[in-house]
Amino acid sequence: QSVPTQPPSVSGAPGQRVTISCTGSSSNIGAGYDVQWYQQLPGTAPKLVIYGNSNRPSGVPDRFSGSKSGTSASLAITGLQAEDEADYYCQSYDSSLSDYVFGTGTKVTVL
Amino acid sequence: QLQLQESGPGLVKPSETLSLTCTVSGGSISRSTYYWGWIRQPPGKGLEWIGSVSYSGSTYYNPSLKSRVITSVDTSKNHFSLRLNSVTAADTAVYYCARLDGLGKWFDPWGQGTLVTVSS
Repeated sequence: QSVPTQPPSVSGAPGQRVTISCTGSSSNIGAGYDVQWYQQLPGTAPKLVIYGNSNRPSGVPDRFSGSKSGTSASLAITGLQAEDEADYYCQSYDSSLSDYVFGTGTKVTVL
Repeated sequence: QLQLQESGPGLVKPSETLSLTCTVSGGSISRSTYYWGWIRQPPGKGLEWIGSVSYSGSTYYNPSLKSRVITSVDTSKNHFSLRLNSVTAADTAVYYCARLDGLGKWFDPWGQGTLVTVSS
């Protein structure tokens, strides 16, 4: 299965730093395809927070940062705030599946 | 500011065809740079890309759904559509439309989503 995997949940206290991993394969992230990250607040549509591995769209706080290395990518949230509590999904393209693939999703809880 | 809005029946019977439309406002669907896509999310589960269409009607689909999916575009109405046939309970999901940006790399913005339930 080439779908990128993410930890089901991560948590942190307000002000702390949390990271979410996205582990792919040689047919998606490892093949050089860009990784995007989406934030999904409860009951709402996903919102793009990182594109092209490490770029933030206008209006997204600089507390959010992305990186990519090899077959994996990461999203970091620094200075965690209550409003960051949401589900987060990574996304890339998979050449073996000929498919846009989303990660399994991670629920971020602010303690 | 570009906005997308899904519309269509919220309840579809098994074996019938699910039909949804995504109306685009605040911009023209005819810009050649973009594709327009459909993504779904079963209740409590993750996201799945369904398919995409360009303003000229070029399409590409998730291989696992390809045999049942048709996407189309109507530039005169500035909207694009999804048809999924032979639906089962497994097709129950929130369906989102979105623009494919970055030369077809990421989805932004998204519509608010519409829940479609497959049930008799």
